[in-house]
Amino acid sequence: NAGVTQTPKFRVLKTGQSMTLLCAQDMNHEYMYWYRQDPGMGLRLIHYSVGEGTTAKGEVPDGYNVSRLKKQNFLLGLESAAPSQTSVYFCASTADSGWSYDTDTQYFGPGTRLTVL
Amino acid sequence: ELKVEQNPLFLSMQEGKNYTIYCNYSTTSDRLYWYRQDPGKSLESLFVLLSNGAVKQEGRLMASLDTKARLSTLHITAAVHDLSATYFCAVDNGNKLVFGAGTILRVKS
Repeated sequence: NAGVTQTPKFRVLKTGQSMTLLCAQDMNHEYMYWYRQDPGMGLRLIHYSVGEGTTAKGEVPDGYNVSRLKKQNFLLGLESAAPSQTSVYFCASTADSGWSYDTDTQYFGPGTRLTVL
Repeated sequence: ELKVEQNPLFLSMQEGKNYTIYCNYSTTSDRLYWYRQDPGKSLESLFVLLSNGAVKQEGRLMASLDTKARLSTLHITAAVHDLSATYFCAVDNGNKLVFGAGTILRVKS
């Protein structure tokens, strides 16, 4: 049981390049999330998914796209990277139980450190 | 729009001392979460608070939730160096979480 994994762990891009970050979870969770973490700002939600085939915008969606073709995977795409997208990206997942139990917390992946030059 | 404020943002403590981190939020929510993050690492769930008056304790940490005051506290008892980390509160916003900016805790011996 690996939990939530993210690929890659580190990446350096040039402005205008594109890339896809992969998040995978093996806990059969319905909900998946992409966040970015910048110093002094906590975590901000980029996009999220409430089930296979669904996606929705979060707080800071501009410049990003996502897809959830399989329940266990959630992809985050940057079509044309900008220096403002330099950040640490975290994926998270949680079960769908009406958010009523102590276990209904979000489980986070190890993060991807992205630098855009 | 839900806003979550933590204070203090930075806390330097002596070992053995007690202190409290505060988490205020702006709109009604019955669910609040506390996470810990070590430098360069991911977030680890500490507490899930699901109702008004909920209190959870784990070791030297105790968290409580007052939904009427829109306030949660994370109390540290007799701090030890191993508690040094960044602590985040996060408030449920319709199956999504809104995070506070985090409190950097440094415990000095």
